[in-house]
Formats: sequence, structure tokens, C-alpha cells
Amino acid sequence: DTAVSQTPKYLVTQMGNDKSIKCEQNLGHDTMYWYKQDSKKFLKIMFSYNNKELIINETVPNRFSPKSPDKAHLNLHINSLELGDSAVYFCASSSQLEHNEQFFGPGTRLTVL
Amino acid sequence: RKEVEQDPGPFNVPEGATVAFNCTYSNSASQSFFWYRQDCRKEPKLLMSVYSSGNEDGRFTAQLNRASQYISLLIRDSKLSDSATYLCVVTNTNAGKSTFGDGTTLTVKP
Repeated sequence: DTAVSQTPKYLVTQMGNDKSIKCEQNLGHDTMYWYKQDSKKFLKIMFSYNNKELIINETVPNRFSPKSPDKAHLNLHINSLELGDSAVYFCASSSQLEHNEQFFGPGTRLTVL
Repeated sequence: RKEVEQDPGPFNVPEGATVAFNCTYSNSASQSFFWYRQDCRKEPKLLMSVYSSGNEDGRFTAQLNRASQYISLLIRDSKLSDSATYLCVVTNTNAGKSTFGDGTTLTVKP
């Protein structure tokens, strides 16, 4: 069983388009995250949600809008895509009861042309 | 200064070698510490948690020094399969925030 899943795995789109990435976890965790890993392989936190509430927003452009319909899902919508948005986006989840160890999804490789 | 700084690497070592990675952090309020491993084009995966008393898992030993604010990872008897990028992670549980280091790349050669 996949613990943290993301769709799609690959996304190729034109500049200016709007796209969404979905994430689901079946671990019963209360916290979910979105990370961006750029071409230099640096992993940066974008957002964190705890029990469906936003707790971290790391100066991400407001073109990025996360949505958490329930504790098991955290989706990321991106408006007006730019070339610089090309990266791998990882979803992750954790639980305070498990020392905040994070479990990552397989990543979504976004390419903006 | 970055919140979490790691050895820049890359580390290229022969099989069987012992290699150590260090990581320093600036936020003294940090409470949880981890080492993650990331293979090429894959997601990061938890390697081990790091405790003040130190902990060992087979060939891997992790240490935490709160006074000096650094954590370390020691890999003994390196295997080819240890080749990966190793990320240190520092968590401030109260703020609900984890900060990843930029990673250190290890290549183990035959």
C-alpha cells in the first residue's frame, strides 16, 4: 500500500497555464507538507497544514494555493505557471505522535515550457 | 547564515571506507533531528532519527551535540548501495517546522 501518493507523477505544461497536483496519505497523520526541490536539488518547504489548517507559508508567491479538504489530502493549485516553477514537488506527512518523522510521496516533476 | 548547514561534499570514497557527515543548526529551540537519504530522482526517505544519547543502526551511527548544535552521521564499511544524497533535518516541534539541509552527496566506488 502506498503511504503517501501524489498525482500526476509528471506534468508538462505551457507558461501561463493553471495546474493542480494532488496528494493523499493513508497513514493517519495530522500534518501534511508541500516541498519544492529545484534543479540544484535543494529541498525547500512551501506549506504545512495541521488538521486542515495552514501553519506554515514560506513566502511562496500567491499563485500557489494549497487546499486541504480533509486531514488525508493536501492539494496544490498553481496559477499562471512560470518557467521558474519547473521543479519536483514533494508532498509529505507526519504525526507529532511519531516524533514528526516525515514520509514523502514520490514527487511530481513539473516542467513549464 | 542558513538555519541548517551541511558539509558541501561531494564525498567520493572506496568500498569499505568509513565516512562521516556533519550538520550544524542555528535554532537552539530545535527539538527533533533526523537523517534522510535521497536517491537520484526519488523521494527522501528517513534513514534514522538522532538522539542526544546517540544511536546506532547497523553500520550507521548518528550523534547529536546540543551544546554545539550539530549532528553527525557515521557510515562504516561503505557499500556501493550507500551512494546517495544525505540530508540532515532539524525540527522545531512547537512551530511545526522542519528545515532540511542542502544535502551531501556520497559516491562509493568499487
